[in-house]
Amino acid sequence: DIVMTQSPDSLAVSLGERATINCKSSQSVLYGSNNKNYLAWYQQKPGQPPKLLIYWASTRKSGVPDRFSGSGSGTDFTLTISSLQAEDVAVYYCHQHYSFPTFGQGTKVDLK
Amino acid sequence: EVQLVESGGGLVKPGGSLRLSCAASGFTFSTYSMNWVRQAPGKGLEWVSSISSTSDYIYYADSMEGRFTISRDNAKNSLYLQMNSLRAEDTAVYYCASETVGGYWGQGTLVTVSS
Repeated sequence: DIVMTQSPDSLAVSLGERATINCKSSQSVLYGSNNKNYLAWYQQKPGQPPKLLIYWASTRKSGVPDRFSGSGSGTDFTLTISSLQAEDVAVYYCHQHYSFPTFGQGTKVDLK
Repeated sequence: EVQLVESGGGLVKPGGSLRLSCAASGFTFSTYSMNWVRQAPGKGLEWVSSISSTSDYIYYADSMEGRFTISRDNAKNSLYLQMNSLRAEDTAVYYCASETVGGYWGQGTLVTVSS
């Protein structure tokens, strides 16, 4: 199985400041035939299901604020929240669907 | 509006069985691969099983293989998960979810395995 490792496990950011979450996969999730990274990012708030933010590593889902961005390729990926808002307090998961799906352990984002 | 509505969760004794259902609406269910994903209380997300749009391809996580069976009925826009030989560690909220790029998730149904 592909192991997804996120860092940090938690972070506290002031309103309006940048939040950066990293995700590393134990093997590449870049599919050579279509040059797509099978990597997604989810946001989960308490008592709610996960919400898809980013897919193909950097494509923002329709309706997701543009302060959320994804980057990276192969085995190293980053989710950036450019200017943290109060409603962004949540747990964030990376997820690979290159092979049998796996998720990172989650990163909890709080307000400082 | 896209909706995925899970049902069938509840309290079951170790060794017991449950059948989860997921009713889909608002999108062309028959063209999407579907998944079950679970989340134990206070824990992260764990993939359980996947089924292709025409049921040709079915996959399970190792710990569910042989105990869980995923199926779908495209005529009824429904996804199912038959869970047998349940263990305490199967206690979780079970989510029905579309293939990743679709991004559709249900609200989940809680399965509690306890004597």
